[in-house]
Amino acid sequence: GAGVSQSPRYKVTKRGQDVALRCDPISGHVSLYWYRQALGQGPEFLTYFNYEAQQDKSGLPNDRFSAERPEGSISTLTIQRTEQRDSAMYRCASSLWSAGELFFGEGSRLTVL
Amino acid sequence: KNEVEQSPQNLTAQEGEFITINCSYSVGISALHWLQQHPGGGIVSLFMLSSGKKKHGRLIATINIQEKHSSLHITASHPRDSAVYICAVRFGYDGGSQGNLIFGKGTKLSVKP
Repeated sequence: GAGVSQSPRYKVTKRGQDVALRCDPISGHVSLYWYRQALGQGPEFLTYFNYEAQQDKSGLPNDRFSAERPEGSISTLTIQRTEQRDSAMYRCASSLWSAGELFFGEGSRLTVL
Repeated sequence: KNEVEQSPQNLTAQEGEFITINCSYSVGISALHWLQQHPGGGIVSLFMLSSGKKKHGRLIATINIQEKHSSLHITASHPRDSAVYICAVRFGYDGGSQGNLIFGKGTKLSVKP
């Protein structure tokens, strides 16, 4: 597509529910990054992929968080058994190659009640 | 620990002033990005640097690899430059694979007319 697309843009869920956030990067982009941003804070790295391979998941807060990119294009970030502290803006970025310019999606705002 | 430090955290300037925002990092990097985040939340990439200096309009970005330091300069600042400016680095890893993306906490710039 023309840009990085994320869905849903807004998600409100109850504590304990699972959520899946989707990122559709720019076509042909090799690298895909997930990060999150709490209100008033800087972005926090979560994980990234080159093609379908997850290169680094050290930023995932705990084992309730997981991400996949099975065909090297669209990626899904899944949060199981959500907690209120998971509320944040979850953003995705992609780049043509692993050290290339970054292009950011508009983000998915998650609110856990 | 890989760290990225930005200064100042907040900056208020009068229209027309020359502005400098600084970014320091702790270990060798493969690339450094300067990003701009407007109040609406969207993030755009301003520059990607691995050495030297880049210029785009009134914006100039420099990097000193030996000192592990980068600066973003804005000449003839304007109220529309008001935004959060974020430094993000990719740390290098042995063997040629690129490291994850670490963000600074951002510098909130407000330019008064």
